[in-house]
Amino acid sequence: QVHLVQSGAEVKKPGASVKVSCKASGYTFTGYFMHWVRQAPGQGLEWMGWMNPNGGGTNLAQTFQGRVTMTSDTSISTAYLDLTRVTSDDTAVYYCARVDSIGYLYYWGQGTLVTVSS
Amino acid sequence: DILLTQSPGTLSLSPGERATLFCRASQSVSGDYLAWYHQKPAQAPRLLIYGASTRATGIPDRFSGGGSGTHFTLTINRLEPEDFGVYYCQQFGGSPFTFGQGTRLEIK
Repeated sequence: QVHLVQSGAEVKKPGASVKVSCKASGYTFTGYFMHWVRQAPGQGLEWMGWMNPNGGGTNLAQTFQGRVTMTSDTSISTAYLDLTRVTSDDTAVYYCARVDSIGYLYYWGQGTLVTVSS
Repeated sequence: DILLTQSPGTLSLSPGERATLFCRASQSVSGDYLAWYHQKPAQAPRLLIYGASTRATGIPDRFSGGGSGTHFTLTINRLEPEDFGVYYCQQFGGSPFTFGQGTRLEIK
């Protein structure tokens, strides 16, 4: 049974960095790409990018290039999202989502609320 | 980037009625790699439809997807109370894998 469990809520000041984790269980971690999606309060979904745990390759939406890093630690089946130089516009719930065998986002974490406030 | 525009913005219907939601792409979605998701408040999205018309595992046959190229639809027959919430389309035809802005389905 696939589970994605994310780290807890974070409060950060503008300009700081934040790291969100996503611990996977119930499957071979290196076998499936992991995507990250965020949702600002009361807003829609925004795709951020994907990471291939098998080798570490990534594909980031241009909006996030230079400020976002997606990594993983395969020894503990955990994916990470690093966001630097945060602003109030980065206040959102961040989701990790694993693709299914077809390539769509079937399994989702519970979300991590990141609040950026001075 | 492929822009996905969903309509209507809000749909007010009663249980038992049929809902039809639309997703229009700014350019053709390669391979019709389009998905639909349902999101309830404070929950993660749930995959309903992939490949434009294939129901995901566990999704009842009241849900059906159609369309190709730049025009896609999601039809929900015999609405049930748990169907209300926000529906999003997402394209996987080309990176970035953009989402539509969502359609809110509310109880009339």
